[in-house]
Amino acid sequence: DAKTTQPTSMDCAEGRAANLPCNHSTISGNEYVYWYRQIHSQGPQYIIHGLKNNETNEMASLIITEDRKSSTLILPHATLRDTAVYYCIVRVANIYNQGGKLIFGQGTELSVKP
Amino acid sequence: GAVVSQHPSWVICKSGTSVKIECRSLDFQATTMFWYRQFPKQSLMLMATSNEGSKATYEQGVEKDKFLINHASLTLSTLTVTSAHPEDSSFYICSAKFGGPEKLFFGSGTQLSVL
Repeated sequence: DAKTTQPTSMDCAEGRAANLPCNHSTISGNEYVYWYRQIHSQGPQYIIHGLKNNETNEMASLIITEDRKSSTLILPHATLRDTAVYYCIVRVANIYNQGGKLIFGQGTELSVKP
Repeated sequence: GAVVSQHPSWVICKSGTSVKIECRSLDFQATTMFWYRQFPKQSLMLMATSNEGSKATYEQGVEKDKFLINHASLTLSTLTVTSAHPEDSSFYICSAKFGGPEKLFFGSGTQLSVL
């Protein structure tokens, strides 16, 4: 699976958009970009995933560059409850890939401040 | 989303004892579950893949005789930390695959403290 690079930490003002970048320059054509987050002392929570098109759901938007070498997770109106570690993970998503396991990197610690 | 229940939330035990952690998929069947371990201020480390009806697949460096995994039904996987020692103290998290393409849903984790 392709390696990802994320900033160690970021701050965001409450109510503003939080834009979390992720570099994955060695991504392969059949690898998806997944985002999960982990609030302190809890299990990770799925946020969103995409292959090459931008994606949006009730939690966030995922913007993937045309060359797919980087992506940005956008939380449109961050709240204090969005304070968490955000993980960007790149992996193949099909039934033949190692049973679907996810390998977590270090992630970005997002602090949403009042 | 799918619900994964993990029990207990926390456990304190004496060195040398064994501890069992349960992971249940409450509203779906999970043929595959995953066990992770997380030390303070660190990321999640995959320990093993649990497959219903077959032996678990352990990641490199994880002792299979130390961390016993049983996945006897489509809704339950258990992790038993045998002869626990203080260095086994950690946050253990399970997850199950549901839906496509292969989203994982995680339990709330178990904090193990070995005295």
